[in-house]
Amino acid sequence: DTGVSQDPRHKITKRGQNVTFRCDPISEHNRLYWYRQTLGQGPEFLTYFQNEAQLEKSRLLSDRFSAERPKGSFSTLEIQRTEQGDSAMYLCASGQGRYEQYFGPGTRLTVT
Amino acid sequence: DAKTTQPPSMDCAEGRAANLPCNHSTISGNEYVYWYRQIHSQGPQYIIHGLKNNETNEMASLIITEDRKSSTLILPHATLRDTAVYYCIVGESYNTDKLIFGTGTRLQVFP
Repeated sequence: DTGVSQDPRHKITKRGQNVTFRCDPISEHNRLYWYRQTLGQGPEFLTYFQNEAQLEKSRLLSDRFSAERPKGSFSTLEIQRTEQGDSAMYLCASGQGRYEQYFGPGTRLTVT
Repeated sequence: DAKTTQPPSMDCAEGRAANLPCNHSTISGNEYVYWYRQIHSQGPQYIIHGLKNNETNEMASLIITEDRKSSTLILPHATLRDTAVYYCIVGESYNTDKLIFGTGTRLQVFP
């Protein structure tokens, strides 16, 4: 399967710990997006990359959040000093800047 | 904020057509209408998009009103696997840097 993959699929952490998620996009896609989704809501945009450049960050992305996409391939999203409010599904998508974004299955984060 | 308004939920009998409405009264001339759906515990999936003309693909049809202030997604023969949340999104085609999702319509297809 050559779709978008995310790792891990589930993560349980204690408040105050740091967590890192990985996203592997479809190989020929130059754009990579991160979204966050809480229960009963649609996904909310966090940030996106074109190749290795991070072009936009939402105000939702506090300074505890950082994303990277070294060499324009996979991406990581790190959350430092996690809070209970960070509990959500973190979705990654890739695309070529046209009509479609292809989403991965998401990483479900639970902060206890 | 999302630029679209959708009913929170709809039901449809299996085998019948599902017609999902969306209002986007503030759409601008260069903005497209996109539809995505999200099946439980999966990431969203692209369905179809359009600018002003009606569009059809293997998954669905999109009917856009002449004034472009509303549209309808049609699933011609709904199956149980079409049970999902359907999102109507307005955005530009050449610079889809982000998708602004609303809360969508939860479509329940029943036997």
